[in-house]
Amino acid sequence: QVKLLQSGAALVKPGDSVKMSCKASGYTFTDYIIHWVKQSHGKSLEWIGYINPYSGGTNYNEKFKSKATLTVDKSSSTAYMEFSRLTSEDSAIYYCARGGYNPYVMDAWGQGASVTVSS
Amino acid sequence: DVQMTQSPYNLAASPGESVSINCKASKSISKYLAWYQQKPGKANKLLIYDGSTLQSGIPSRFSGSGSGTDFTLTIRSLEPEDFGLYYCQQHNEYPFTFGSGTKLEIK
Repeated sequence: QVKLLQSGAALVKPGDSVKMSCKASGYTFTDYIIHWVKQSHGKSLEWIGYINPYSGGTNYNEKFKSKATLTVDKSSSTAYMEFSRLTSEDSAIYYCARGGYNPYVMDAWGQGASVTVSS
Repeated sequence: DVQMTQSPYNLAASPGESVSINCKASKSISKYLAWYQQKPGKANKLLIYDGSTLQSGIPSRFSGSGSGTDFTLTIRSLEPEDFGLYYCQQHNEYPFTFGSGTKLEIK
């Protein structure tokens, strides 16, 4: 079945960067886009952007354009998101999700990766 | 950005009852609304997309309706596993935006 396995929790210092991974299995990786979504503690969901694993093309929410970089490694069916110049506002759970038959709808989600920014 | 306003914020109901959750968009999003369920320790689950299309594998007690700016998720005959958080998401235009969530609790 479709699975998205995300990397573990990270504790990082303000100003640092963090790179998280999302390994896909159970389907052809290059057939579906991968979205990234942020959930701050106790709050709602924010769409960060998506990447097309086939072409490498990306589409970012303007709010995260200077913060997030999305990449993929087709050979390992893994998507990555790097978040830079971290502040306490970036402490959150980050999800990857597959864009489904309708690519703008997220039909399978990873378990989430917690990022804590603290000195 | 399209603002999505969900109501109610909290909802308490008993198994067997029916409930409705509302989602209002700040501008017309045609039919392009999805509903998700979030539960602790489980991956988020897509329930409905395009306003009323039931995702494969989702029980028929879930249904969605609406278009334009006003949408509703209805759950008939609540099962114990239905309790959790529910979010709407507009998938009509960038950036995709979510509602603030509705917590469905057992009464």
